Amino acid sequence: GQNIDQPTEMTATEGAIVQINCTYQTSGFNGLFWYQQHAGEAPTFLSYNVLDGLEEKGRFSSFLSRSKGYSYLLLKELQMKDSASYLCAVLDSNYQLIWGAGTKLIIKP
Amino acid sequence: GAVVSQHPSWVICKSGTSVKIECRSLDFQATTMFWYRQFPKQSLMLMATSNEGSKATYEQGVEKDKFLINHASLTLSTLTVTSAHPEDSSFYICSAPSGRQETQYFGPGTRLLVL
Repeated sequence: GQNIDQPTEMTATEGAIVQINCTYQTSGFNGLFWYQQHAGEAPTFLSYNVLDGLEEKGRFSSFLSRSKGYSYLLLKELQMKDSASYLCAVLDSNYQLIWGAGTKLIIKP
Repeated sequence: GAVVSQHPSWVICKSGTSVKIECRSLDFQATTMFWYRQFPKQSLMLMATSNEGSKATYEQGVEKDKFLINHASLTLSTLTVTSAHPEDSSFYICSAPSGRQETQYFGPGTRLLVL
């Protein structure tokens, strides 16, 4: 079956760095997405990786290793507003999005 | 990025009534749109895939006669919750893929409360 794993919850301190991991087993691969979802709101797009390596976008970076079925989202210089759920999703061979359950990130002052 | 809108953002209705939720892609065309339901503190659950010009594809366990989907044009899909019951109260979110990367852009969501 298809499966995406990410930690349920993580806690970090304001100003620090946090890495949220995502591992996947899917039928085919056409890219991996990271989304941010604040409580009570719809998800917003953060990043897309389809080739191995690191994609940097401001304070957020996303890494992909297709051979390992692994990705991480790196958040630097954490701010209180970064408290949210972070969703990992993989586009499979049928271009269906397979969603992880999300990682709730709690930022403490 | 691309913009997807939903209307209404909030609905409160009596049990047994039907509720229609609209999802529009504002600056791009979408032959496919996705409808999700999300209960509090839970992950997104894909309900169905809306296809312009053809029938929607429903996920296992989702009643197609209860959740009617109509993809009327390349920029509009509607979800109608028929004979709503309190257990249908949820956050309903639509999304549409845009661009070569098939990036999903989400609408702001519709909160449904059935009394």
